Amino acid sequence: GAVVSQHPSRVICKSGTSVKIECRSLDFQATTMFWYRQFPKQSLMLMATSNEGSKATYEQGVEKDKFLINHASLTLSTLTVTSAHPEDSSFYICSAAGLGTSDEQFFGPGTRLTVL
Amino acid sequence: AQSVTQLDSQVPVFEEAPVELRCNYSSSVSVYLFWYVQYPNQGLQLLLKYLSGSTLVESINGFEAEFNKSQTSFHLRKPSVHISDTAEYFCAVSDGDFGNEKLTFGTGTRLTIIP
Repeated sequence: GAVVSQHPSRVICKSGTSVKIECRSLDFQATTMFWYRQFPKQSLMLMATSNEGSKATYEQGVEKDKFLINHASLTLSTLTVTSAHPEDSSFYICSAAGLGTSDEQFFGPGTRLTVL
Repeated sequence: AQSVTQLDSQVPVFEEAPVELRCNYSSSVSVYLFWYVQYPNQGLQLLLKYLSGSTLVESINGFEAEFNKSQTSFHLRKPSVHISDTAEYFCAVSDGDFGNEKLTFGTGTRLTIIP
């Protein structure tokens, strides 16, 4: 299957700083990328959907000014957590779908964010 | 709105025994159902999916799931589990059959195989 990578896999930052997480589709062109957040022992919650070259569509309750999403190319989407606080600590997962992947989304391995 | 309920958060099973992981959904539109597996320290991988046609779908590693519209269920089964099946299993629903449709996930079931 197609491969999606995320970088970094783990990040620890101080409260008030910003953190950028990258999501890359390695062997296909991702026209659509999704960003999820997963709390311990809970489900993956969709945060936003981004289409290449367009503004992201955020789910209800997700602050777009806090979670900045950029999908500038067909292989890269970034999620920037601005002015991070301890309550932003979570597991962030991206998925991608696009040309050649038909009816399947491919998931990245996730990024563990810890805000001190 | 769509939702998915996975009633069992953890399921311990002896090796070579059968297993069933339960999934119930609610949806007001046409439904497309998925099971994803997450092995330790890895991303989610698609295990199997129901889009249309036969209500019984199978994966390449022996799992199967049956779409039951009247019971709004999509339970996952395997007749004989192996140690390598230890993982977290997520049921998901979508209202579209293309990859660019958003997924709604259940809370997951951790399957632990006991030697």
